[in-house]
Amino acid sequence: AQKVTQAQTEISVVEKEDVTLDCVYETRDTTYYLFWYKQPPSGELVFLIRRNSFDEQNEISGRYSWNFQKSTSSFNFTITASQVVDSAVYFCALSGGNTDKLIFGTGTRLQVFP
Amino acid sequence: NAGVMQNPRHLVRRRGQEARLRCSPMKGHSHVYWYRQLPEEGLKFMVYLQKENIIDESGMPKERFSAEFPKEGPSILRIQQVVRGDSAAYFCASSLRPPTVTGNTIYFGEGSWLTVV
Repeated sequence: AQKVTQAQTEISVVEKEDVTLDCVYETRDTTYYLFWYKQPPSGELVFLIRRNSFDEQNEISGRYSWNFQKSTSSFNFTITASQVVDSAVYFCALSGGNTDKLIFGTGTRLQVFP
Repeated sequence: NAGVMQNPRHLVRRRGQEARLRCSPMKGHSHVYWYRQLPEEGLKFMVYLQKENIIDESGMPKERFSAEFPKEGPSILRIQQVVRGDSAAYFCASSLRPPTVTGNTIYFGEGSWLTVV
C-alpha cells in the first residue's frame, strides 16, 4: 500500500529562519513520483516540484531546496530565509506504478512571523 | 488564464439539495481528476476521467456522488441530496497525457468550497 506521512502538523518560525518540512513515504512500486504542493490561505494548490524515483539528486530553486533519500524513503523540503509569504500548508504527495493518482500526506502548516 | 478553472469557488447548499461543481481542464488536457479535502485533512482521490469515460472511480462514495467529462464542455462532479458531511473543498486537476511509466505533472484548480447548512 502507498502512504505519505508528514509528521509535523504545524511549524512556526520567525522570518529569515530556515525551516525543513519532513515527508516520509511508503510504496512497493519501483517507479514512483514525489510531489510538493503549497496551499496558501487563499486555498488554491500550487505545484512546487515533481521528482522521480530514479533521480536522487537534490534540487534547489531559489530559496527552496529538496532532499530526496531513497534509503530512508524521505523527500524533505527546506525553505531558506523564510518569509511571511511562505506561510501556507504544504503537502507532500506520491504517485506510483502506471497511475497519476496522488496519495497526499496530511500537510504541514507553516506560519512565518515577522 | 490557461490554468485549471473551477466554478463555483464557493457554494452553499441546504441538506437534501444537489451540488454541481464544474471543472475546465488546462488547454489541451483531456485527463481530469477530482479530489476532496475535508477540513484539516489532506486531499483524497475521488475519480479519474478521460473524455466520455470514467477510468477509475475507486475513491468515489458509492451513493449520491457522480462525475462526468463529456466530449464537449467541462467535467462535472455532482452530489445529490447533500449532507453536512459533504462540506469540503473539492479540487479538480488535469494532465496532458494518460498515466505512463514516466509520470505526469498534475495541475490543480483553485478548488470549490461546498458548505452544507
